[in-house]
Amino acid sequence: AQSVTQLGSHVSVSEGALVLLRCNYSSSVPPYLFWYVQYPNQGLQLLLKYTSAATLVKGINGFEAEFKKSETSFHLTKPSAHMSDAAEYFCAVSYGGSQGNLIFGKGTKLSVKP
Amino acid sequence: DTGVSQDPRHKITKRGQNVTFRCDPISEHNRLYWYRQTLGQGPEFLTYFQNEAQLEKSRLLSDRFSAERPKGSFSTLEIQRTEQGDSAMYLCASSQAGQGALGEQFFGPGTRLTVL
Repeated sequence: AQSVTQLGSHVSVSEGALVLLRCNYSSSVPPYLFWYVQYPNQGLQLLLKYTSAATLVKGINGFEAEFKKSETSFHLTKPSAHMSDAAEYFCAVSYGGSQGNLIFGKGTKLSVKP
Repeated sequence: DTGVSQDPRHKITKRGQNVTFRCDPISEHNRLYWYRQTLGQGPEFLTYFQNEAQLEKSRLLSDRFSAERPKGSFSTLEIQRTEQGDSAMYLCASSQAGQGALGEQFFGPGTRLTVL
């Protein structure tokens, strides 16, 4: 079965430090990949998505992710963390077809220390 | 457009009661999805509609669960004879078909269900 693994349920960084959130997927076919962010008491918001056009994808709020097929990974990075980045981040995959329903990882909660 | 809305935001019920949640998608979106999110987990797909047709149901959707989208606009999710294991956040999302799997799903704020 297809699955998504997010390494680390909780990541803590200092303000200004690099943010790296890890995501690996299992698939025998190329998936479509997404990162969503969830702030407390709010819905999920799309940060970025992999469209197969370019392996390095830039998203909102300074985040980017790189698709590495050989590693089946789609890690999320941001060069310099801001206090407002504190939230829960979800990696998700879709395997195309007509439905497009998403398969989510368990999420990584990002804390940013001043 | 104000995005996807869900009502109620919170629901507390006693075991064995029936509950119904409503989702209003973004108006021009013809696809509507329901997900369930339990504590410490990512959202899990339950079912989705294209217009009024329910095209797929997850095995997570037991026979106590029923979803409708009668006019292809808003949708309702009903849980009959609730169990404590049904306690979760129920998320609704909508998207525009024709964009395939890359059509962005816009999520509502969710309905948090607590079954006592």
